[in-house]
Amino acid sequence: KNEVEQSPQNLTAQEGEFITINCSYSVGISALHWLQQHPGGGIVSLFMLSSGKKKHGRLIATINIQEKHSSLHITASHPRDSAVYICAVSPLETSGSRLTFGEGTQLTVNP
Amino acid sequence: DAGVTQSPTHLIKTRGQQVTLRCSPKSGHDTVSWYQQALGQGPQFIFQYYEEEERQRGNFPDRFSGHQFPNYSSELNVNALLLGDSALYLCASSLGQILNQPQHFGDGTRLSIL
Repeated sequence: KNEVEQSPQNLTAQEGEFITINCSYSVGISALHWLQQHPGGGIVSLFMLSSGKKKHGRLIATINIQEKHSSLHITASHPRDSAVYICAVSPLETSGSRLTFGEGTQLTVNP
Repeated sequence: DAGVTQSPTHLIKTRGQQVTLRCSPKSGHDTVSWYQQALGQGPQFIFQYYEEEERQRGNFPDRFSGHQFPNYSSELNVNALLLGDSALYLCASSLGQILNQPQHFGDGTRLSIL
């Protein structure tokens, strides 16, 4: 079993829909990261959080440390949001900035 | 402010060959991590360099080696290439060995093994 599990693996939505991507992890962490990867391969960091909730524009990330669960929400989705969204954690057992990644969620938003 | 740059962007090799990939960290960053991402999967940690030393290593064979230079740039070397080494290789930089530092990623090098 992977230390970081995401669901769903694939998600197709219509423009304007509210989207939720879920992430569960099985290890103690110091932080959880949500990242975005476009077809070219480059990865952009969206959020880093260790508690509560963060919001940036139409994106909202929440984390429940007790339940080892995080969600990424996209409000009023747009075709330009189409990308792979990856959840990653900084495990407590490893020092420094090493990340353990989930397998990603492929999001497609149709106009 | 230059971000993380990787070279080359694409590379084609044959089995048994050796390859060197390069990474320049974001300005001001001193720690470089390398990840391998197979098609359809999440990145897997290879190793991390700080102060020109390998500080952490993932579950990768000794065929994978690296180096960090005094200017913080880094190289990933893979010997005796296998078909299974075909992947996107990502470099990420951060500042120091402090927990919870934001990671900055390059666009990756796509390596294809024939």
